[in-house]
Amino acid sequence: SQQGEEDPQALSIQEGENATMNCSYKTSINNLQWYRQNSGRGLVHLILIRSNEREKHSGRLRVTLDTSKKSSSLLITASRAADTASYFCATDGAGSYQLTFGKGTKLSVIP
Amino acid sequence: DVKVTQSSRYLVKRTGEKVFLECVQDMDHENMFWYRQDPGLGLRLIYFSYDVKMKEKGDIPEGYSVSREKKERFSLILESASTNQTSMYLCASRGVREANYGYTFGSGTRLTVV
Repeated sequence: SQQGEEDPQALSIQEGENATMNCSYKTSINNLQWYRQNSGRGLVHLILIRSNEREKHSGRLRVTLDTSKKSSSLLITASRAADTASYFCATDGAGSYQLTFGKGTKLSVIP
Repeated sequence: DVKVTQSSRYLVKRTGEKVFLECVQDMDHENMFWYRQDPGLGLRLIYFSYDVKMKEKGDIPEGYSVSREKKERFSLILESASTNQTSMYLCASRGVREANYGYTFGSGTRLTVV
């Protein structure tokens, strides 16, 4: 099954800085989603970008998608300590009900 | 808001026991999923269900089975628990009318098999 791969595996930044995480995948997709997971908890859906979209914004989040490179990036602007979490990208292919998740980027925002 | 509830946050079971992990959602979603999450391996799909009484194998179904007798409930069954099934188990659901809104996850069940 296809799988997204996040990069970097871990990221540590100061509060107020921007955080950028990248995701690469292997095959054609319908859409790509980003999720957040606080330590020991379930995942929370952040944003979805469709395969025919190139950029999407939601609050302090900006997602880009480059289907020619099979890659996406998640930018969190003006980070806060509360943004400390693991972030996962997930993809689904044509006709598929299921999402395939990457291994995640662990973000630490230092106050 | 959609709520997905997993019956236990933490569970300790003995090797060889039959284990039931329960998941209930309250928004009439058709699709439900069971994942396990392990350090360094990310989330891996065990089983999923398109609708009531339907089930499909995911990427790692061995040692597991599922039951979906009612639309709101999706149960994961470990027929004979083994130590390599120690993991975090995550249930998720999604409505077919909401294909562009992502999954809603439960809080997870951390299972330890001793």
